[in-house]
Amino acid sequence: AQRVTQPEKLLSVFKGAPVELKCNYSYSGSPELFWYVQYSRQRLQLLLRHISRESIKGFTADLNKGETSFHLKKPFAQEEDSAMYYCAPHTGNQFYFGTGTSLTVIP
Amino acid sequence: GAGVSQSPSNKVTEKGKDVELRCDPISGHTALYWYRQRLGQGLEFLIYFQGNSAPDKSGLPSDRFSAERTGESVSTLTIQRTQQEDSAVYLCASSFFGRADTQYFGPGTRLTVL
Repeated sequence: AQRVTQPEKLLSVFKGAPVELKCNYSYSGSPELFWYVQYSRQRLQLLLRHISRESIKGFTADLNKGETSFHLKKPFAQEEDSAMYYCAPHTGNQFYFGTGTSLTVIP
Repeated sequence: GAGVSQSPSNKVTEKGKDVELRCDPISGHTALYWYRQRLGQGLEFLIYFQGNSAPDKSGLPSDRFSAERTGESVSTLTIQRTQQEDSAVYLCASSFFGRADTQYFGPGTRLTVL
């Protein structure tokens, strides 16, 4: 069965500290992987996708096929990064969203 | 419109009643998705529409759930004989064909079944 695990429901870091949001997936085939973000009172939106190897708002995510992980990282957290983050493998027509990690950046 | 819209934003109903949730996708988006998010859980895929093709209903949890879409426009998700476990936020998203990676989400409908 397809499964995605985000082990941390809540994560707090101080402003300027590095942050890593973990995501592990269990998947048959070769899924594409995405991170979605939901800021307070805003809609869920795409943050980044592994296929484009991009850095968005200072965040990067590396797909590690050996560890089946797709952790989201940022070297220096900012207050505006406080939000809910969802890891989402995608295959065919379906996205499988994780349970999400609520990130709080403490000033 | 500026984005995906959903109505109502909140719905409280009694157990056993039927409810209908509406989604207006972004104009030009041929793909439309419904998801459910129960409290403290991730988003569950429910159903996917693509143009006039047969929808992918593989995520619907029971035969009490159904969805319709007229062409490439409005979609309605119907839940019959609601149960308390149906309480959740129901999210709709749309995208261009073949661009499931860039879905635009609506604000959701919060359904509470008493």
